[in-house]
Amino acid sequence: ETGVTQSPTHLIKTRGQQVTLRCSSQSGHNTVSWYQQALGQGPQFIFQYYREEENGRGNFPPRFSGLQFPNYSSELNVNALELDDSALYLCASSINSGRFETQYFGPGTRLLVL
Amino acid sequence: GDSVTQMEGPVTLSEEAFLTINCTYTATGYPSLFWYVQYPGEGLQLLLKATKADDKGSNKGFEATYRKETTSFHLEKGSVQVSDSAVYFCALISGNTGKLIFGQGTTLQVKP
Repeated sequence: ETGVTQSPTHLIKTRGQQVTLRCSSQSGHNTVSWYQQALGQGPQFIFQYYREEENGRGNFPPRFSGLQFPNYSSELNVNALELDDSALYLCASSINSGRFETQYFGPGTRLLVL
Repeated sequence: GDSVTQMEGPVTLSEEAFLTINCTYTATGYPSLFWYVQYPGEGLQLLLKATKADDKGSNKGFEATYRKETTSFHLEKGSVQVSDSAVYFCALISGNTGKLIFGQGTTLQVKP
């Protein structure tokens, strides 16, 4: 059984550019959540996808968007990058069985915006 | 809204010392509670969890008990090792939001 994987591991972009981050969920998991972790802080919830639909969103602007695919993998897209978008982006997968189960995290993608 | 508050760090201990990291929460309903650990340069690993009042989660010598009356979920370990040095996050899921709400994290440094 493979765990949650994310790509790329590191990324450097300039302000105004767009970025796509990818996540493969753990085998058997149907739900993917994305979090942003700024340096020295706890992760902040961006949004969650279940059965290819957005299933909850945190306090992030619309330039943060996502997708979930039929195999339950997911993408996070960020448009018009700002310096404050520099952070570790974490993907977590879980099983939505009618109640919310434990989320298992990937290693993260570290994004630096210059 | 729901929130989690952890004791501020860093916490510095000698090897084999007793560890307590305090965590309290505010939530509507009956949240599930978690401790995650983050080693330098890595993602989050689930350490332990508890889903209802009086449950005790345990793993790798760490324990935490879900205390509804004091809205707390303090993390304890009887004898820490240098390899336990990491950042520890207390978190909750409540209601039907599906989102984890994290505390700010507590850095633990264990010296030989």
